Amino acid sequence: GAGVSQSPRYKVAKRGQDVALRCDPISGHVSLFWYQQALGQGPEFLTYFQNEAQLDKSGLPSDRFFAERPEGSVSTLKIQRTQQEDSAVYLCASSLAGQNTDTQYFGPGTRLTVL
Amino acid sequence: GENVEQHPSTLSVQEGDSAVIKCTYSDSASNYFPWYKQELGKGPQLIIDIRSNVGEKKDQRIAVTLNKTAKHFSLHITETQPEDSAVYFCAASIGKNFVFGPGTRLSVLP
Repeated sequence: GAGVSQSPRYKVAKRGQDVALRCDPISGHVSLFWYQQALGQGPEFLTYFQNEAQLDKSGLPSDRFFAERPEGSVSTLKIQRTQQEDSAVYLCASSLAGQNTDTQYFGPGTRLTVL
Repeated sequence: GENVEQHPSTLSVQEGDSAVIKCTYSDSASNYFPWYKQELGKGPQLIIDIRSNVGEKKDQRIAVTLNKTAKHFSLHITETQPEDSAVYFCAASIGKNFVFGPGTRLSVLP
């Protein structure tokens, strides 16, 4: 079956531009997570959805970052007025239920480069 | 909040030898500890996980041990092969989320 997919795989933006990153989770997965992975580091939590409800957005670094999952499946991470420090790989993961012992399945990521 | 440390940051072994990666965590409420393998240009892939009610789990050449008292857990890979070369991340659950370690770059030399 299909895994988690993300698009685009690569995105180059000029500083100040807005970007939108898409995540298609595994069908039927209730929970969806966004992570930011800087070069040479582990993924860092950004935000978490259970169905369409955004239950935790404590990891979003600034109010320029916004995520939504309006119908409880596809999610979009939007970054407004991009800055160079936003350059990173943005990973999406999904899990079947909402338990903290559930396996999270990751997509391939979107590599964002802000010039 | 939770803090996960991971050692070593890089590890080189000869093909056929064993590799061990160690992680420590700080939050005693953590109860789920997955290990992920990440190859270049790909997302992390789960290779093994352990829950806090067990001390050891094995899957073919891969094993994980957990010491909840000491708050540390380890990944053991035996009979390493060149295709094991990748970056490995440990993680600990905190609430619904994971906190990841900084990663270990494993190189298996033929």
